[in-house]
Amino acid sequence: GENVEQHPSTLSVQEGDSAVIKCTYSDSASNYFPWYKQELGKRPQLIIDIRSNVGEKKDQRIAVTLNKTAKHFSLHITETQPEDSAVYFCAAVRGFSGGYNKLIFGAGTRLAVHP
Amino acid sequence: DTGVSQNPRHKITKRGQNVTFRCDPISEHNRLYWYRQTLGQGPEFLTYFQNEAQLEKSRLLSDRFSAERPKGSFSTLEIQRTEQGDSAMYLCASSLGTGAGYEQYFGPGTRLTVT
Repeated sequence: GENVEQHPSTLSVQEGDSAVIKCTYSDSASNYFPWYKQELGKRPQLIIDIRSNVGEKKDQRIAVTLNKTAKHFSLHITETQPEDSAVYFCAAVRGFSGGYNKLIFGAGTRLAVHP
Repeated sequence: DTGVSQNPRHKITKRGQNVTFRCDPISEHNRLYWYRQTLGQGPEFLTYFQNEAQLEKSRLLSDRFSAERPKGSFSTLEIQRTEQGDSAMYLCASSLGTGAGYEQYFGPGTRLTVT
């Protein structure tokens, strides 16, 4: 069935370092890959997404890369700051022209950025 | 606040009782989703509505669970005869019904504790 694996489960970095989180997906028809950030006790918030017709997307300090052949995608955070500390979830979805889009989430990565 | 809202935010109930949660999506969004999130895990898909039509239900949604979206606006999720295993955060999300409307915006969730 549909499955998304996410690694690592925890990640600890020093402020200013880069952080990389990796996900693999099983459904080759998946064509949309969002990343959510969830702070303790708060709702998941979309931080960046990528569609299958694009290999890389960047937004300031965060970037996402996609390798459709290998069915994996990664989140890259540069110049990490303490406020980046949170749990990050990757997700994959098979969307059609009508936009049907059930998200399949990874198990999450707890990122801790130490000052 | 123009985001997705959920009520109540917290619910404590005794095993065997029925509970009902409400979700109000972003007003122009015609797609509404329910997810369940347990501690340390990513959200898991439960069910999905397009307008008032319930288009998919996960096998996680046993016969004790029912969801409605009677007028295509707010939605309710009812759990009958609650069990301790139902304890979780129940998240609602909404999205636009266009081909580019993949982005799902989450509410703050309802945390259910079954004692």
